[in-house]
Amino acid sequence: GENVEQHPSTLSVQEGDSAVIKCTYSDSASNYFPWYKQELGKRPQLIIDIRSNVGEKKDQRIAVTLNKTAKHFSLHITETQPEDSAVYFCASNSGGGADGLTFGKGTHLIIQP
Amino acid sequence: DSGVTQTPKHLITATGQRVTLRCSPRSGDLSVYWYQQSLDQGLQFLIQYYNGEERAKGNILERFSAQQFPDLHSELNLSSLELGDSALYFCASSPAGWGETQYFGPGTRLLVL
Repeated sequence: GENVEQHPSTLSVQEGDSAVIKCTYSDSASNYFPWYKQELGKRPQLIIDIRSNVGEKKDQRIAVTLNKTAKHFSLHITETQPEDSAVYFCASNSGGGADGLTFGKGTHLIIQP
Repeated sequence: DSGVTQTPKHLITATGQRVTLRCSPRSGDLSVYWYQQSLDQGLQFLIQYYNGEERAKGNILERFSAQQFPDLHSELNLSSLELGDSALYFCASSPAGWGETQYFGPGTRLLVL
């Protein structure tokens, strides 16, 4: 089945700096790659997603890039703010029409004031 | 608020018992997904139902089962509970299925003593 690797597991950045989280996937048939933000004890919330027919997508301070050839995708957060502190998960769907998402292990993003 | 509701919020039970978790999807969504989140296994896809029928299976144990009713709400049944079943159980929904955004409910925190 699909395997999603996520790095780093913890990322600490100064407020105002940029943060980058990287993921790789294994199933070349995967075509949907969402990113979720989860605060402690709360639901995962979708922050951005990208489909395989697009190489990059941006929404204000958040952007995602996808390299299908290398099977990796990345989350970029610019001008980080204290409220960006959370755990971020990347995910992908699987080939063959299976709809369940496979998640990475998560990145704990810490924004230092 | 994602529009997905789950009950109960918290559940404490003993080993060997059986519990039922309930999920109501967003209005108009036909697909319901169940995920388990634990510290050691991360976020794992369990099972998906689409318009009343099982669509995909993930890492769901044989002691666990689910169903989706004609009004599209879903129930996840966990039986012969073990200590290791303690986790957060999330339900998510999407309009149809593959490659679509999944919106997560607030989760049910299960503690097995």
